[in-house]
Amino acid sequence: NAGVTQTPKFQVLKTGQSMTLQCAQDMNHNSMYWYRQDPGMGLRLIYYSASEGTTDKGEVPNGYNVSRLNKREFSLRLESAAPSQTSVYFCASKEGGSQPQHFGDGTRLSIL
Amino acid sequence: AQSVTQLDSQVPVFEEAPVELRCNYSSSVSVYLFWYVQYPNQGLQLLLKYLSGSTLVKGINGFEAEFNKSQTSFHLRKPSVHISDTAEYFCAVSDLGAGSYQLTFGKGTKLSVIP
Repeated sequence: NAGVTQTPKFQVLKTGQSMTLQCAQDMNHNSMYWYRQDPGMGLRLIYYSASEGTTDKGEVPNGYNVSRLNKREFSLRLESAAPSQTSVYFCASKEGGSQPQHFGDGTRLSIL
Repeated sequence: AQSVTQLDSQVPVFEEAPVELRCNYSSSVSVYLFWYVQYPNQGLQLLLKYLSGSTLVKGINGFEAEFNKSQTSFHLRKPSVHISDTAEYFCAVSDLGAGSYQLTFGKGTKLSVIP
């Protein structure tokens, strides 16, 4: 039972390069989320998808785009990477309502 | 809008001693409350949740938390910690309204268990 799978686990980019972070869940969850985690900042929501076909901005959406490809997959794209986007990125999913979110193991992204 | 304050960024405690990690929240509506644990280089794992009913909630690994509506608190406790409890702990809140889609996290408390 894989749960939430994120790829890649590590990535180093140069400023200005683009990249897509992939996330897939096998729990048939309706909602999916992208967060970034920075030291001393907790987790901050970038974008979320309440259900297939919808996406909404979170707290820190600037510089990112998302695609809810189908019910299982939710990708995060950096069009022109900046050093300020160096972070650990987490994908999460949940069934809905009061249910808790389930997290992947993260993608550690460094932008030079 | 909701917010979460974790009052201690770091908590050192000796092995087998009790520990309390503090969490306060603010929200204009009723909430769901969660505690997550993050071990080094891993994702977040759910420890426990408060949705409704009994204000004392028991979770995994011997942790428990008490919801106090009047003090808007949801403190996490364990009567006797182990070395393996060394990790970062996050408190999170979700409003009951608007489909409860979003979680707001505190900034985390790093628990260090000293042998």
